[in-house]
This record gives sequence, structure tokens and C-alpha cells, in this order.
Amino acid sequence: GNSVTQMEGPVTLSEEAFLTINCTYTATGYPSLFWYVQYPGEGLQLLLKATKADDKGSNKGFEATYRKETTSFHLEKGSVQVSDSAVYFCALYSGGGADGLTFGKGTHLIIQP
Amino acid sequence: DADVTQTPRNRITKTGKRIMLECSQTKGHDRMYWYRQDPGLGLRLIYYSFDVKDINKGEISDGYSVSRQAQAKFSLSLESAIPNQTALYFCATSDSGLNEKLFFGSGTQLSVL
Repeated sequence: GNSVTQMEGPVTLSEEAFLTINCTYTATGYPSLFWYVQYPGEGLQLLLKATKADDKGSNKGFEATYRKETTSFHLEKGSVQVSDSAVYFCALYSGGGADGLTFGKGTHLIIQP
Repeated sequence: DADVTQTPRNRITKTGKRIMLECSQTKGHDRMYWYRQDPGLGLRLIYYSFDVKDINKGEISDGYSVSRQAQAKFSLSLESAIPNQTALYFCATSDSGLNEKLFFGSGTQLSVL
């Protein structure tokens, strides 16, 4: 079956540090890959996505590249801000309409001033 | 106003009680979903509906039922609540499927004592 593995949190960084949150996946076929972000007290919001190999999704300074050869979709940002503090979820969808998105367990990111 | 509204925001109940969580949306989307979020487990799909006449079980539907009263309304019921159903519940909608953006409500925190 499908699965998504994310690095354990919490991840604590200082403001302006470089961020990487690792995500690897197992899926049948050629899934679409997503990063969702959950700010405190809110629902999840789509941050970025990539639908095929070598695609790069980007939004709000965050980037992730779909790497089929390593089955990875690592999230990166060059200079984080306190406002980036949130829980980040990697997810995949392998098509067919059923079973929904498969989510990772989430990585709690804490940015200190 | 929020596009996807969940009520109540918080609920505490006792084992054996019947509970209904409600979700309404103003986005005009046909597809609606119920997820639960547990610490360290990410999000798991409970039920989903592609239109008013369509209801489908997700990964963890046992102990839950749903009703799609209209395109804009999708409610989740726990017929006889048990403590391991304590979780954060999210409703979500999408326009054209899981390969596209999901829009989440702010969640309902349910505690079963």
C-alpha cells in the first residue's frame, strides 16, 4: 500500500536558518505529491504540489522537487521566519479516486527569533 | 466567513453517547471528506462523498457514519462514542478530486471520557 515517511519533530531553528524537512514515499504507479501546512488552531492548507517526476513545487519561499529515483519530496526554504512555525504534512495521491490522500505523520517546526 | 465551517469547535462527551459533527461549505464543491488527526499519526480518511448520492468508506470508517444532506452539508456521526475516538476531526472539500487542492475546515476537537 501507499505510505509517507517524514522526519520526526519537533524541528527547532533560529530565524533566517535554512530549512529541510525530509519526506520519502512508497506508492503504486506515479503519485502526485503535496506539502500541506497547519498553523496553530487552523485546518491544513495546501502549500505546494508536484504531479510528475522532476517537477518542482514552490510557494511562499518553500520548494520541493519530485525525485522519482529516490522516492523523495523534501521541503526546503532558504531563510525561515517566525511566522513559518507550524506543522508540515507531506502527502501523496496515487489516483483511482478512492482512499483519499495518504498523509505523513507531520513535522512540527518551531522558529525562534 | 470561512469557506468550510465545522461545528462545534470543541466537544466533550461521555462513552456511549451519540455525537454529530457538522460541516458546511460555501465553495460549491461536490466532493467532501472527513478526516481524523491523532498526535503522531497524521490524518486518516474516515468517509468521503463525491456528490449528494455518493458515500464511500475511507481507511477507518468503523464506528462512524455520515450523511450528505445537501451539496453543501456533510455530517459525521459517532453512534456510540468510545474513548479512542478522542481526536481532532477535519472536514475538507475539493472541486475536481484529490489531485487538486483540498480545502480544510478549522477542525472539531472531540474528547470522549
